[in-house]
Amino acid sequence: LAKTTQPISMDSYEGQEVNITCSHNNIATNDYITWYQQFPSQGPRFIIQGYKTKVTNEVASLFIPADRKSSTLSLPRVSLSDTAVYYCLVGDKALFSGGYNKLIFGAGTRLAVHP
Amino acid sequence: DGGITQSPKYLFRKEGQNVTLSCEQNLNHDAMYWYRQDPGQGLRLIYYSQIVNDFQKGDIAEGYSVSREKKESFPLTVTSAQKNPTAFYLCASRALESGNTIYFGEGSWLTVV
Repeated sequence: LAKTTQPISMDSYEGQEVNITCSHNNIATNDYITWYQQFPSQGPRFIIQGYKTKVTNEVASLFIPADRKSSTLSLPRVSLSDTAVYYCLVGDKALFSGGYNKLIFGAGTRLAVHP
Repeated sequence: DGGITQSPKYLFRKEGQNVTLSCEQNLNHDAMYWYRQDPGQGLRLIYYSQIVNDFQKGDIAEGYSVSREKKESFPLTVTSAQKNPTAFYLCASRALESGNTIYFGEGSWLTVV
C-alpha cells in the first residue's frame, strides 16, 4: 500500500479557498486516491475520490497531476464548520482476490478555520 | 436506516476486566474494520475481516480479539492484556468492490477507571 504524507496542520479564514496536498510517491497503477473528513469524536466520512486529472463534487475538488505522485484536496470558501482533520487514503479500487485491503490511514491534516 | 451501529457510546473498564464493543452493519458489506484513535492522533488499525469466520491482525492487535460469526457483526474485545486501552474506537465497513470508500460508525469511547 502506498504511504502518504500530509502537512500536520493548516490555518485558514472563513471564505478562503483551502488546498491540502498529499504526497504518495509510490502509488501503484491501480490505486485510487480518497479523502476523508473527521470531526472530533466522530468517525471519518468520505469526501471525494479520484484516479487522475480532476474530480469535483458538491463539497470539494480533487486535483491529481499526471504522475499521480501527489494529490490536492481543494475546499472552496471554507466556513468554521470545515474545521476538522482531513485524511488522504491511497489503495487499490479493484476487488482483491485472496488478498486483503488493510486501509491504513496516515496522521491527517488538522485544518483550523478562523473567523 | 442503513449504516453502522456501534455500542456502547461510552464504556468504563476496571483494571483486569475484559470488555466487548459491539459493531453491527446493515449495508451488506463484506469487509469490516476496527480502528483505535488516541486523542489528537490518527487512526490505527487493530483488526480487519473480509469474510465471515476469517480476520487478520492490523498494526496494533496485541491485547485485542475479534470474531466474525455473521456478516453483519464484528465485535471487538479489549482484554486485560491491553495495558493502555483508554481510547476512541471506530468500526468501519466496506463493500469489496468499492476500493477505498469505507463507512464508519459513530465510535465508542473506552476509559479505564
